[in-house]
Amino acid sequence: SQTIHQWPATLVQPVGSPLSLECTVEGTSNPNLYWYRQAAGRGLQLLFYSVGIGQISSEVPQNLSASRPQDRQFILSSKKLLLSDSGFYLCAWSTGVGGNTIYFGEGSWLTVV
Amino acid sequence: DQQVKQNSPSLSVQEGRISILNCDYTNSMFDYFLWYKKYPAEGPTFLISISSIKDKNEDGRFTVFLNKSAKHLSLHIVPSQPGDSAVYFCAASASTGFQKLVFGTGTRLLVSP
Repeated sequence: SQTIHQWPATLVQPVGSPLSLECTVEGTSNPNLYWYRQAAGRGLQLLFYSVGIGQISSEVPQNLSASRPQDRQFILSSKKLLLSDSGFYLCAWSTGVGGNTIYFGEGSWLTVV
Repeated sequence: DQQVKQNSPSLSVQEGRISILNCDYTNSMFDYFLWYKKYPAEGPTFLISISSIKDKNEDGRFTVFLNKSAKHLSLHIVPSQPGDSAVYFCAASASTGFQKLVFGTGTRLLVSP
């Protein structure tokens, strides 16, 4: 069966510091990968998606970037965090076939102070 | 522009009764719809989906209804249980192009004993 893991689960970072959140998927090949963010009191906002290694699409202009160095690895980064980057970040995957149900990881709480 | 809307931020229901969660969408290209359940500090869990070729899909206590002419879908939970207390997200995607999911802002369901 397929599993998805992301880490770290929580982190507190000062403004201006870098960020790296990692996500891996097991049990499937060539998945579509996603990074979502849930800001306080808001819905799930798609930040990035990837259909293959090195292929990244950005949905909204922001202070973040994503990379996919391996087929089942997806990384969310920032060089300098802003207070507004605080939120709950979710990695997700799908097979990209048919109805595109996506499956989420456990999430990472980021607090920028 | 909020393409998927959940206008009720919260809903309270007694155990054993029916819970009805509503969702409206504006993009007529959407043809696949999903409901996710989310507990605090966890990733959303896929619950049930429906394709636009259907108007109803049932899975145990959960039934999703789709009214394409009204661009409206609803999730019925019968009977409601305290363990159903969570935030429920409606999501939609279009089969043309890359199938990105667009999420609503969520409805918090509280089922009291």
